[in-house]
Amino acid sequence: AQSVTQLGSHVSVSEGALVLLRCNYSSSVPPYLFWYVQYPNQGLQLLLKYTSAATLVKGINGFEAEFKKSETSFHLTKPSAHMSDAAEYFCAVSETGGSYIPTFGRGTSLIVHP
Amino acid sequence: GAGVSQSPRYKVAKRGQDVALRCDPISGHVSLFWYQQALGQGPEFLTYFQNEAQLDKSGLPSDRFFAERPEGSVSTLKIQRTQQEDSAVYLCASSFSAGDEQFFGPGTRLTVL
Repeated sequence: AQSVTQLGSHVSVSEGALVLLRCNYSSSVPPYLFWYVQYPNQGLQLLLKYTSAATLVKGINGFEAEFKKSETSFHLTKPSAHMSDAAEYFCAVSETGGSYIPTFGRGTSLIVHP
Repeated sequence: GAGVSQSPRYKVAKRGQDVALRCDPISGHVSLFWYQQALGQGPEFLTYFQNEAQLDKSGLPSDRFFAERPEGSVSTLKIQRTQQEDSAVYLCASSFSAGDEQFFGPGTRLTVL
């Protein structure tokens, strides 16, 4: 069984500040991990994914995430927030060797204020 | 228009009506997924196709929900006798093959009155 917990339904940062969105997962087998971004009235867009290669994964728009097996975490970071980063962010896990059907977290709304 | 498209974008139905939601995946994508996203929640898996074969429908919440992909391309999600709890955004995603990046459509927002 697999599950995802995203801590904090809302995260508020100032423009230019560090962004940290937290994600913890559980999986009975080595996981694939994903971060998606959703802008209002749009579908989800993949930011980055971990598939058992490098533990530090770089994605689009300056985001990156680090897979920490010991902490079962896959937190998303960005050094400097832009106003355009305001959106809903979803962490997801799927199990290797399975059907690749992802389980999504409940999402974290990132608010960026001037 | 190389992305995943869904129609209609918005659908209002009276309780008890049947609805049909359409998904046009990216050309050549073998895998197609349907998700239900309730307000303030993440997407929840409904069903998965590989070409025309429905390989997993474990997420369909009741036998009122039915999905098909008869020619391995366009897919339709049908909900019979809609209930208020069916109100949600229904997302479709496609990928070149299972395990590859999924590309999502914009969703259909269903409101059942």
